[in-house]
Amino acid sequence: QKEVEQDPGPLSVPEGAIVSLNCTYSNSAFQYFMWYRQYSRKGPELLMYTYSSGNKEDGRFTAQVDKSSKYISLFIRDSQPSDSATYLCATNAGGTSYGKLTFGQGTILTVHP
Amino acid sequence: GAVVSQHPSRVICKSGTSVKIECRSLDFQATTMFWYRQFPKKSLMLMATSNEGSKATYEQGVEKDKFLINHASLTLSTLTVTSAHPEDSSFYICSAILLAGGADTQYFGPGTRLTVL
Repeated sequence: QKEVEQDPGPLSVPEGAIVSLNCTYSNSAFQYFMWYRQYSRKGPELLMYTYSSGNKEDGRFTAQVDKSSKYISLFIRDSQPSDSATYLCATNAGGTSYGKLTFGQGTILTVHP
Repeated sequence: GAVVSQHPSRVICKSGTSVKIECRSLDFQATTMFWYRQFPKKSLMLMATSNEGSKATYEQGVEKDKFLINHASLTLSTLTVTSAHPEDSSFYICSAILLAGGADTQYFGPGTRLTVL
């Protein structure tokens, strides 16, 4: 079993839709949970991270972590064509949001006008 | 924001040759950098941790004699793929950590596409 599982999609939604992206993980030692966005042929860029359980909101993006079910989510409200990218969840068992990260497979998202 | 660059962005080489990829932190010093490999439609897999002034730490299953890492300065780490073979064709991405007193952040480079013929 992979440590982090993510549905690769692809996911296609119309502009303005609410997008839900999800990952599950197996290692209960994971404390930090990150979401990265990766455009084609580019490196990942950090969108946001959450420590332990709970929600975190940043503009149109909301990250949720449920440690009891080992489930992490990213919601994108009012999705835009510029949100079209691959979204990667990542975790870290260390005491930081950076370092030797374990990534999910990534979900390819397309937002069409 | 902080920038991490990689050079070259794309390289095509013949089987059996060696290829060097550079990773630079452009406006900050990084004692630690990481090298990842990403196959098409697959996740990033950590290959090794590069530490300035000391030997790199390799993940299980990564051949240290094949993937040579040198972190000679606080702004430069290099990955050399020795005797490259077609199965080494992949997207190689480095990352560097900016330590900023509680606002520490990991930045990723744009990646290097290696194609071995």
